[in-house]
Amino acid sequence: DAKTTQPTSMDCAEGRAANLPCNHSTISGNEYVYWYRQIHSQGPQYIIHGLKNNETNEMASLIITEDRKSSTLILPHATLRDTAVYYCIVRVGVADGLTFGKGTHLIIQP
Amino acid sequence: KAGVTQTPRYLIKTRGQQVTLSCSPISGHRSVSWYQQTPGQGLQFLFEYFSETQRNKGNFPGRFSGRQFSNSRSEMNVSTLELGDSALYLCASSLGRSTSTDTQYFGPGTRLTVL
Repeated sequence: DAKTTQPTSMDCAEGRAANLPCNHSTISGNEYVYWYRQIHSQGPQYIIHGLKNNETNEMASLIITEDRKSSTLILPHATLRDTAVYYCIVRVGVADGLTFGKGTHLIIQP
Repeated sequence: KAGVTQTPRYLIKTRGQQVTLSCSPISGHRSVSWYQQTPGQGLQFLFEYFSETQRNKGNFPGRFSGRQFSNSRSEMNVSTLELGDSALYLCASSLGRSTSTDTQYFGPGTRLTVL
């Protein structure tokens, strides 16, 4: 699986959009970008995934650049409950499970 | 639909003992994966079971083993516990398709403390 790079931590004001970047410059053409988040000591929660088109669901939007070397997860109206560690993962298959990096610790400020 | 459930949620054992953790996947899911999370190593893949067979395995010693039953429920076992086995053990279930869109959904985890 391709390696990802994320900022260690980010702050965002409550009610504003939180934009979390992820670099995956070595991504291959058939590798998907997945986002999970983990609230302290709970199991990771699936958020969204995509290949090359932008995706949106009830939780978030995923914007993938045209060259697919980076992506941004957008939480449109952040709440205090969105404070968590967010993981960006790229994967091509299921052979080795999910490879989690250190993620971005997003802190929503009141 | 009920989510992934794991039992027990918390467990305390002593060095040298063995432990068995249980995971019930989402209804209809045939794949169960296990992960270990520690502060030092982060989240690491242990193994994956599909249709009662281990399909994939991470880089862990043989003390870590698992199995899956015909109803897709899975157990993992750790023998001869060491202090370093203290961790949050997470189970994830998925449909089990051999594609990169086979989304895994995680349970709440079992917190194991080895004294």
